[in-house]
Amino acid sequence: KQEVTQIPAALSVPEGENLVLNCSFTDSAIYNLQWFRQDPGKGLTSLLLIQSSQREQTSGRLNASLDKSSGRSTLYIAASQPGDSATYLCAWDTGRRALTFGSGTRLQVQP
Amino acid sequence: DGGITQSPKYLFRKEGQNVTLSCEQNLNHDAMYWYRQDPGQGLRLIYYSQIVNDFQKGDIAEGYSVSREKKESFPLTVTSAQKNPTAFYLCASSQGTGGNEKLFFGSGTQLSVL
Repeated sequence: KQEVTQIPAALSVPEGENLVLNCSFTDSAIYNLQWFRQDPGKGLTSLLLIQSSQREQTSGRLNASLDKSSGRSTLYIAASQPGDSATYLCAWDTGRRALTFGSGTRLQVQP
Repeated sequence: DGGITQSPKYLFRKEGQNVTLSCEQNLNHDAMYWYRQDPGQGLRLIYYSQIVNDFQKGDIAEGYSVSREKKESFPLTVTSAQKNPTAFYLCASSQGTGGNEKLFFGSGTQLSVL
C-alpha cells in the first residue's frame, strides 16, 4: 500500500527561525508531489507542486525539494512568521488516480 | 469569484439517517474528489470523478454514495451504513487527472452524529 509519512508531527519555533518539514513516500513511481497548507477548520490551500522531472520549486519564503531516489521531499520555510502557523500536508501523485496525503505537520510560530 | 463551495459548513446526523453534503465548483474542472479527514490525520479518499456521469471508489467508499450528473456538482451522501461518520469532509477539484494538476479545495463540512 502506498504511504506518505510526515515528520515531525508537530513543531513549535520562535519567530524568525528557518525550518524544514519532511515528507517521505514509499513508491518512486511519482508524477508529482504537492505541499498544502491547512488552517484550523478550513480547507487546504496548494503551496507548491514539484513535477517528477524537477528537483525543487520556490515561492516567496517557501522552497520545496524532491528526491525521488530516496523517496523524500522537504519544505523549507525561511524567516518564519506567526502567520505561518498552520498544518502543512504533503501529497503524492502517481498519476493513476488521486493524491495520497500524509498526516501533516502542525506548525506553531511563537511571536 | 471562481472556486469550490461546500455546504452546509456544519451538519448533524441522527442514527439511521442519510445525509447529503453539497459540493459545487465554477472552475470548469473535469475532475472532482471527496476526502474524509479525522482529527490529527491526513486525508483519505472516498470517491472521485474524472468526468460527468462517471465516478470511482476510493480507499474508504463503504457507507457513502455519490453522483455526477453535472460537471459543476458532486454531492456526497453519507448513508446509515456508515457507522462512524463523524469527520471533516473536504471536496476538491482539478482540471484533470493527468498527473500534474493542482488540487483546489472547498472549505469543508463538519459532520457530527447526534
